[in-house]
Amino acid sequence: DTAVSQTPKYLVTQMGNDKSIKCEQNLGHDTMYWYKQDSKKFLKIMFSYNNKELIINETVPNRFSPKSPDKAHLNLHINSLELGDSAVYFCASSAAGNTEAFFGQGTRLTVV
Amino acid sequence: GQNIDQPTEMTATEGAIVQINCTYQTSGFNGLFWYQQHAGEAPTFLSYNVLDGLEEKGRFSSFLSRSKGYSYLLLKELQMKDSASYLCAVGQAGTALIFGKGTTLSVSS
Repeated sequence: DTAVSQTPKYLVTQMGNDKSIKCEQNLGHDTMYWYKQDSKKFLKIMFSYNNKELIINETVPNRFSPKSPDKAHLNLHINSLELGDSAVYFCASSAAGNTEAFFGQGTRLTVV
Repeated sequence: GQNIDQPTEMTATEGAIVQINCTYQTSGFNGLFWYQQHAGEAPTFLSYNVLDGLEEKGRFSSFLSRSKGYSYLLLKELQMKDSASYLCAVGQAGTALIFGKGTTLSVSS
């Protein structure tokens, strides 16, 4: 019974394509996040949503667009993929903005 | 802005004790978190300190000094399975956890 699940686990795609990553949590949390982890393992916040409302949008290209249809889901759509977008993307959730965050398994995106 | 520093790599042997330090500069501090991340897996929560002092959880302990902007994670009786990255993260009111760049710990026999 996975707490935070994201799909797909692996995604290989060509430059210029558009792709989506889905995330769902069954913990009843109000806050969800997208983090990007680069090849040097640095985990960087991209977006944070609280109860379907965007509360954090770090310096991320506008090719990245999060969508939260309800508080249990936060999807990430990426347009016009570039080589530099290759990374592991983690979805996470927490009960509040500064409490323990639970992470999904990650999506390894490779742009070729 | 925030600045979180921790060593990039550490090595230790089985059965030993290792201390991973983390220093931070941030506004609106609301707790210090430690996460463990094995290669190819998601980060998992280890500990949380919001008040000064030591929190002990089995083989792992975490310490916080808010006045010094300093924390450490202490791992005792090291096992091979403790080889992983250890991420220090700062909580701030109304925002997401901000992570340091992680410390890769290698435990050898």
